[in-house]
Order: sequence, then structure tokens, then C-alpha cells
Amino acid sequence: QKEVEQDPGPLSVPEGAIVSLNCTYSNSAFQYFMWYRQYSRKGPELLMYTYSSGNKEDGRFTAQVDKSSKYISLFIRDSQPSDSATYLCAMSAEAAGNKLTFGGGTRVLVKP
Amino acid sequence: NAGVTQTPKFRILKIGQSMTLQCTQDMNHNYMYWYRQDPGMGLKLIYYSVGAGITDKGEVPNGYNVSRSTTEDFPLRLELAAPSQTSVYFCATMRQGRDYGYTFGSGTRLTVV
Repeated sequence: QKEVEQDPGPLSVPEGAIVSLNCTYSNSAFQYFMWYRQYSRKGPELLMYTYSSGNKEDGRFTAQVDKSSKYISLFIRDSQPSDSATYLCAMSAEAAGNKLTFGGGTRVLVKP
Repeated sequence: NAGVTQTPKFRILKIGQSMTLQCTQDMNHNYMYWYRQDPGMGLKLIYYSVGAGITDKGEVPNGYNVSRSTTEDFPLRLELAAPSQTSVYFCATMRQGRDYGYTFGSGTRLTVV
């Protein structure tokens, strides 16, 4: 079993729809939870990070962390074609050198 | 402020050749990382460093070596390149504290033939 599981998609939605992404994990030591966006042939770009459990909102993006269920989510409201990318969840623990453990990524396609 | 700079952007190697992937940062971050990303996959950690003079193995270190003589530079060395090392390589730094987060370079696309 992988340490972080993420549905590879692809996830295709019409413009304006809500995109819902999620990851599950097995390591209870993870403290920081992040979502990265990666466009084709580019490096990952940090979208949001959350420390421990809770919700965080930034514009059209909402990140949720449920440590009791070992489950994290990212919601994108009013999706735009420019949101078409691969979304990677990642997690880390200070005690483990802050090494990021990534999910496999979910491809998202927002159709005009 | 360049952030994380990786060179070269592209490289084709023949089996058995060696090369060094360069990574330089100007943010004075102590933590630096090398990841590889295979097509359609997430990133896997090769090596990391928590400061100058300190390095440690990640998930997939075989076939690679690193050094960290300065805070700014964290080169990744490939010895005896193999087709399995065909991948995109990303260098990253981490900032601690209130602005916790990672900054990735733009990657080096390596093909071993």
C-alpha cells in the first residue's frame, strides 16, 4: 500500500463546476498537508498548505484536512479552463526532515 | 530574486555516461531536496539535505550521489546512467516558520538512451 493514495483521474468538468479532489494517507505522523498544481512540463506550484486538521480557504480554493480519517480534500469553485492541470497532494512531518511525500497526482480538465 | 535554478533544462545521455544536475538557490534556505518524476506519476525523493555538509537518502537513492558544500548549491550526480533514470528531476527548497512551504525549480528533463 502506498503511503499517500490519490485517484489519477482524469477528471473532466464543465467550466464553472466545482472540482473536488482528495487524498488518503496512512502515516499518522504527517503534520503539514499541501496541494500543488502542475502544468505540463513545469515544476509543481504550491497552492495551499494546512497545518494539522481543519479548513483553509483562499479565493476559489478550499483545503480540508481530517486527520482522524487520514483524508484531505481540495475544492475548486467556479472552475476555469486555466485550472486544467495535474493536482498533487503532498504531506510532511518535521520529525522526518520535512520530506514531502506525494500522491500520484490527479489530472483535471475544465472544458469551456 | 531567482529562487531555485536548475541546469541544464534538457539532456540526453548514453547508457553508462555520467553527469551532474545543478541546483542553486538564493533564498538562504537550509532544507533542499531532489525529486524525480516519472511520466504520469507523483514525485519521489532521491536525496535531501538539512544544511551545508549534511545529506541523507530518500526513497530512491540508488544510482545517485549528492553533496552540499554550501547553502546555495545542491548538485545531483548520476554515475553510470541507465534507461531507468530517464525522468524529470526537480530540485526544491523549504522555508520554515510562518511562510512554511516549498519552492521547486523548473526541472531537468533527462533521457538515457
